[in-house]
Amino acid sequence: EPEVTQTPSHQVTQMGQEVILRCVPISNHLYFYWYRQILGQKVEFLVSFYNNEISEKSEIFDDQFSVERPDGSNFTLKIRSTKLEDSAMYFCASSDSGGGNQPQHFGDGTRLSIL
Amino acid sequence: AQSVTQLGSHVSVSEGALVLLRCNYSSSVPPYLFWYVQYPNQGLQLLLKYTTGATLVKGINGFEAEFKKSETSFHLTKPSAHMSDAAEYFCAVSDLKSSGDKLTFGTGTRLAVRP
Repeated sequence: EPEVTQTPSHQVTQMGQEVILRCVPISNHLYFYWYRQILGQKVEFLVSFYNNEISEKSEIFDDQFSVERPDGSNFTLKIRSTKLEDSAMYFCASSDSGGGNQPQHFGDGTRLSIL
Repeated sequence: AQSVTQLGSHVSVSEGALVLLRCNYSSSVPPYLFWYVQYPNQGLQLLLKYTTGATLVKGINGFEAEFKKSETSFHLTKPSAHMSDAAEYFCAVSDLKSSGDKLTFGTGTRLAVRP
């Protein structure tokens, strides 16, 4: 069964450094998402992306964050200057259509640790 | 805004016993509802979804959930727990804003299964 893949599985970065989290969504999917889960807390929406542009973003997704689909297969999340509070598990998801009734398929996540 | 409440952050049952995980949502319009399961160090796996039609939906691994509009609930059940069901379970509602279909998650319920 096709799946969403994320790399790396664990990223350790010094505070203030830039980090790029990578995702390969399911190949025929058109909608892409990033979520994060701070340890012990619930999964929170960050951003959705369709047709090469952001369709919605949360208040968490400030100017330090950006997303990109640099080619036909990858979807990346960049954090420009990391803060301690960015430490979390970041999940990428994709779906084959919008409208809310199609399930989103999640990757296994990247655990980001900011020192 | 949509919201999801999961009563009970931890639930413990004996192997073979009924599993009942509670989920209530708030929505001003008919929602799309999902249950996801997260095994340790893994991503979120879709268990089942409700969009329209039959209010009792069946999912993978013997789980099912019933959408009750009058109670704004979408509780997850399984008649007989198995050791392999031990995981964290998340209820989610799809945001029906025209700009996107982000998922809003509950805080999760960790299910323990006693031998």
